[in-house]
Amino acid sequence: DAKTTQPPSMDCAEGRAANLPCNHSTISGNEYVYWYRQIHSQGPQYIIHGLKNNETNEMASLIITEDRKSSTLILPHATLRDTAVYYCIVRVTFGNEKLTFGTGTRLTIIP
Amino acid sequence: DAGVTQSPTHLIKTRGQQVTLRCSPKSGHDTVSWYQQALGQGPQFIFQYYEEEERQRGNFPDRFSGHQFPNYSSELNVNALLLGDSALYLCASSPPSTSGRSLAHNEQFFGPGTRLTVL
Repeated sequence: DAKTTQPPSMDCAEGRAANLPCNHSTISGNEYVYWYRQIHSQGPQYIIHGLKNNETNEMASLIITEDRKSSTLILPHATLRDTAVYYCIVRVTFGNEKLTFGTGTRLTIIP
Repeated sequence: DAGVTQSPTHLIKTRGQQVTLRCSPKSGHDTVSWYQQALGQGPQFIFQYYEEEERQRGNFPDRFSGHQFPNYSSELNVNALLLGDSALYLCASSPPSTSGRSLAHNEQFFGPGTRLTVL
């Protein structure tokens, strides 16, 4: 079973920041938080991951609470192409551990 | 650099038949994972192949089997197809753990999937 809880859907206006929450209250000390997204009719795409520090890359920022029980993915300037299902996943990183997907958050960017 | 490729893109079969799906990993990757995604659901892990051996397996029956070839490409076989096997089948590849590259801890790169319809 997925170890994360996400809202089923969210809307965001184009050009605004999209903030996608995720709860992972049972996360273990050796588990990272990963975010993937899936645009319609495509395979999932990696976005970002983190352990306990906030992370930023060219796609997004990841904010993890100090107790690591929740996190927020931030898309700073959402575009129509960001419309997708976003999955929050907790996962150990040694070896090639499988990804356990939940049902994710369907993000719709409104023009 | 080609990403993960899968064939065919679409496939229609009838109940009881057998199907083989194919996956070529991203260049430099040696591990292949397979996922099943039913409509409206997140992908579910089927199994993973590394060094031509099944290394991990999800909660799928023995009707689902696989193979990895020396060139790291992989096949997913499903026997005795059921209506419930209709889904998008995704292949993901990941690089060697000792690649030394600053990758996302064995980030998995997904292909576009094969849409299987069982009638």
